[in-house]
Amino acid sequence: GQSLEQPSEVTAVEGAIVQINCTYQTSGFYGLSWYQQHDGGAPTFLSYNALDGLEETGRFSSFLSRSDSYGYLLLQELQMKDSASYFCAVTGNTGGFKTIFGAGTRLFVKA
Amino acid sequence: ETGVTQSPTHLIKTRGQQVTLRCSSQSGHNTVSWYQQALGQGPQFIFQYYREEENGRGNFPPRFSGLQFPNYSSELNVNALELDDSALYLCASSLGVGAGAREQYFGPGTRLTVT
Repeated sequence: GQSLEQPSEVTAVEGAIVQINCTYQTSGFYGLSWYQQHDGGAPTFLSYNALDGLEETGRFSSFLSRSDSYGYLLLQELQMKDSASYFCAVTGNTGGFKTIFGAGTRLFVKA
Repeated sequence: ETGVTQSPTHLIKTRGQQVTLRCSSQSGHNTVSWYQQALGQGPQFIFQYYREEENGRGNFPPRFSGLQFPNYSSELNVNALELDDSALYLCASSLGVGAGAREQYFGPGTRLTVT
């Protein structure tokens, strides 16, 4: 089956850098995605890694190591509006395509 | 370009009833996935449709069923509602499957309450 682990909560100050880790188990790995969700809102896509290495999109970067079944999301120059839940999600093909989400990491950004 | 829309926004049903939730995909997207999200939890994958065929299913019982139409809009049907079915139901559209579905665009969700 597929499963993911990520920290439940992270706190950081405005302007800082924070890293949210994600470890996963899956068969037929296709990619690891990251989504942001504000309270009462829908998840919005942040980043995707199919190959090992770092993907950079503005203040957000995501890293993947397929051999370690590990990835992380890096948020730089934190802003108050970054306070939200962040989900890693693994897409695999185990008897059909599935995208499984982690339980989410709640990020609190303090002034 | 029209985003993903869902209807209704909120719904209250009684245990044992049936419900149909609807989703219109983003223009040009041929894949739709449905998720159930309980409060404080991550979205749980229900199933995915690609070009009108189910091509992936999560650990949900058969009373959860779906359809995708030729215009790529979609329905989620839940029969014999249970109290635990109370949740936010999200649909997400994407272009392609597997490695091609790098980005999913989520609708605002339908909040279902079962009493």
